[in-house]
Amino acid sequence: AQKITQTQPGMFVQEKEAVTLDCTYDTSDQSYGLFWYKQPSSGEMIFLIYQGSYDEQNATEGRYSLNFQKARKSANLVISASQLGDSAMYFCAMREGNKGYQGGKLIFGQGTELSVKP
Amino acid sequence: NAGVTQTPKFRILKIGQSMTLQCAQDMNHNYMYWYRQDPGMGLKLIYYSVGAGITDKGEVPNGYNVSRSTTEDFPLRLELAAPSQTSVYFCASSSPGRSETQYFGPGTRLLVL
Repeated sequence: AQKITQTQPGMFVQEKEAVTLDCTYDTSDQSYGLFWYKQPSSGEMIFLIYQGSYDEQNATEGRYSLNFQKARKSANLVISASQLGDSAMYFCAMREGNKGYQGGKLIFGQGTELSVKP
Repeated sequence: NAGVTQTPKFRILKIGQSMTLQCAQDMNHNYMYWYRQDPGMGLKLIYYSVGAGITDKGEVPNGYNVSRSTTEDFPLRLELAAPSQTSVYFCASSSPGRSETQYFGPGTRLLVL
């Protein structure tokens, strides 16, 4: 069964430093997608970055990059130059591959709470 | 472009009452989803829809119903509310494509007492 594991319930990082949030996944699909979402204290879910299972390059979006290691089934989020506004809960999620039905359901990890210290 | 909108933002229900959570999107997305988020947890899929008139169950559908009569709207119905349905409910939408990235509404906080 598909599963997402985030083993770090909470993380601290100093402002302007880089931080890595861990995510491992389990799937038997060859085609799948991996996502990271940010949930600030206000509660909304904000899409950050996407990595497809067939993408050869690691995804990058501004200060966010995804360290994709397919053989290890890991998809860690790297945030460079942390800012105070990065303090939030971060969720890793996986979209199952299409199996003829269309519509990519997401499976979420339990999240990592990141606190950025000034 | 409002994106995904949800109403109400917050609601208190008594056990046994019913209500409908509204969700609408103006991005012309084919796919829509309902998730719930319990305290300290990730989101779990309740129901999803791949187009008007087509819906299917997710991981935790018991106690809920959905309908999709238009592309834009995807209401979630709670029948006979129970304390276990106290949660934050998120609606999301996406379109077919490479990533099918889901964009979320602001959420509805529901308390069942």
